Amino acid sequence: AQKITQTQPGMFVQEKEAVTLDCTYDTSDQSYGLFWYKQPSSGEMIFLIYQGSYDEQNATEGRYSLNFQKARKSANLVISASQLGDSAMYFCAMRGNYGGATNKLIFGTGTLLAVQP
Amino acid sequence: EAEVAQSPRYKITEKSQAVAFWCDPISGHATLYWYRQILGQGPELLVQFQDESVVDDSQLPKDRFSAERLKGVDSTLKIQPAELGDSAMYLCASSLMSGETQYFGPGTRLLVL
Repeated sequence: AQKITQTQPGMFVQEKEAVTLDCTYDTSDQSYGLFWYKQPSSGEMIFLIYQGSYDEQNATEGRYSLNFQKARKSANLVISASQLGDSAMYFCAMRGNYGGATNKLIFGTGTLLAVQP
Repeated sequence: EAEVAQSPRYKITEKSQAVAFWCDPISGHATLYWYRQILGQGPELLVQFQDESVVDDSQLPKDRFSAERLKGVDSTLKIQPAELGDSAMYLCASSLMSGETQYFGPGTRLLVL
């Protein structure tokens, strides 16, 4: 069975500093995808970044980067130069068996990030 | 920028009443998903459509929940009768095709009294 584990219920970071949000996963699929979403208090899930299991380089999108360590089954999100608007809930998610009939996302329990001025 | 639309944003109802949620995916997206997110947890898939066909409804409580996407575009999720435990955020997402990145709408917050 697929599982996502986020062990940090909440984190503080000072504005302009970098922060790492942890995510480990468990799957028996050879082909899978890892996603990070941001959920502000308004409720919408905002897509941030994607890493495919066969991608050799870590994904980057602006201030977001994904530290992908396949052997350790981890996919940590790094946010550089934190901004007050980054305060939100962050979810790691996995999609398995690409190309199969169903490709639902399995989500972790989330990490609440608070950026302090 | 194209977005997933959902309505209503908030719904308060009494138990045993019927409720319905609507979702309009990003234009051209063939795959549509309904997720339920209980407070303090990550979203869980209720149902996935590929065009107008259901491809996964294994976690949909079919005794009270129903979902349809008649013309393969917008979709409706219905609960009848609503129970106290149905209080949650209901999120709709769409992707260009199955397996591609899913983009979410703003969600519908349901409170059952």
